[in-house]
Amino acid sequence: DQQVKQNSPSLSVQEGRISILNCDYTNSMFDYFLWYKKYPAEGPTFLISISSIKDKNEDGRFTVFLNKSAKHLSLHIVPSQPGDSAVYFCAARVMGAQKLVFGQGTRLTINP
Amino acid sequence: SAVISQKPSRDICQRGTSLTIQCQVDSQVTMMFWYRQQPGQSLTLIATANQGSEATYESGFVIDKFPISRPNLTFSTLTVSNMSPEDSSIYLCSEKNIGLYGYTFGSGTRLTVV
Repeated sequence: DQQVKQNSPSLSVQEGRISILNCDYTNSMFDYFLWYKKYPAEGPTFLISISSIKDKNEDGRFTVFLNKSAKHLSLHIVPSQPGDSAVYFCAARVMGAQKLVFGQGTRLTINP
Repeated sequence: SAVISQKPSRDICQRGTSLTIQCQVDSQVTMMFWYRQQPGQSLTLIATANQGSEATYESGFVIDKFPISRPNLTFSTLTVSNMSPEDSSIYLCSEKNIGLYGYTFGSGTRLTVV
């Protein structure tokens, strides 16, 4: 039972353009959503998060949108830079608990 | 946010043996977690390491296979016992403090069982 799904295993975007990474979830008991970036041989690095009571959170080039009715969130990166090439994981926190449930990840490649 | 030192960074082990992975946090943290990332898969939570008491395991993970210690608020270990090739994965520890929203991860331990 995959509660958090990232249906695109990979995404290729030209440098300077917008990257949009998508994530769907099935559990209505998630109260907090996070995006992580992971380089090879390193642990995931926290990028940005959003509470379930909000629909948008922005931090520099990164914006996360949450559509609760559709149980969908997306991460927008603009403009995309070569250093953004990595695997991106979305994660959700179960309400009342502190543990995270992760999606499968999307490998983003930024082409010069 | 806290900084986590995890070691070893990688190891190649013989089947039937055990490996202990250590995580040291540079400050006291409320919660620590252990995850596994199998090849091509997502991160799966193994257990929550509880300070001074037994860890809380997720479905499919048992203490005999993955014993965990957390003697204080800055340190935890995960042992992968009686290893088989199916245990070949990346193992990661994570921490979170109450009231802070980001969860920090260690750099991971890449385990290969031959």
